[in-house]
Amino acid sequence: DIVMTQSPESLAVSLGERATINCRSSQSVLYSSDNRNYLAWYQQKPGQPPKVVIYWASTRESGVPDRFSGSGSETDFTLTITSLQAEDVAVYYCQQYYASPYTFGRGTKVEIK
Amino acid sequence: EVQLVQSGAEVKNSGESLKISCKGSGYTFTSYWIGWVRQMPGKGLEWMGIIFPRDSDTRYSPSFQGQVTISVDKSISTTYVQWSTLKASDTAMYYCARPASGPYYFDHWGQGTLVTVSS
Repeated sequence: DIVMTQSPESLAVSLGERATINCRSSQSVLYSSDNRNYLAWYQQKPGQPPKVVIYWASTRESGVPDRFSGSGSETDFTLTITSLQAEDVAVYYCQQYYASPYTFGRGTKVEIK
Repeated sequence: EVQLVQSGAEVKNSGESLKISCKGSGYTFTSYWIGWVRQMPGKGLEWMGIIFPRDSDTRYSPSFQGQVTISVDKSISTTYVQWSTLKASDTAMYYCARPASGPYYFDHWGQGTLVTVSS
């Protein structure tokens, strides 16, 4: 299985400041035939199912505010929330869908400082 | 509108069997994979497996292979997860989810089914 390692486990950021979450995969999730990174980011708020915010490592899901961005390639990825808002408080997970089982990271909890 | 509606919460005893469901609507059911994700209390997301309703092609995580059975009934646009012998450690929220394309990232999720197993 591909192991997804997220850091940090939790993060407290002031309103309006930047939040950065890292995700590392145990092997590359870049598929050479289409040059795509098979990596998604999800946001989960308490009592709700997860919601995809970024897919293909850097494509923002429709309706997701542009303060959310994804970057990285092969084994190292970052989710950045510029100008953190109160509604962004959640747990964020990365997921690789390069090879079954399509494993998730353990999550990063983002809170307001 | 794509909707995934899951069956209601279950409370079971250890050793009992259980089948929970997820009904898809608002799209061509047989054209999209459906996956299942476990979330134990206070914990993260675990990918259990995924099924393609058209031909019942199923892929399991090794962690769940042999522990659950994922199945589908195309005639009623419903997928299932089944346990033959529940354990207390099966207590969790179970989500079904549909990928945007292929068996890839999930862009639609069910509301979740809470399974509580008492020992």
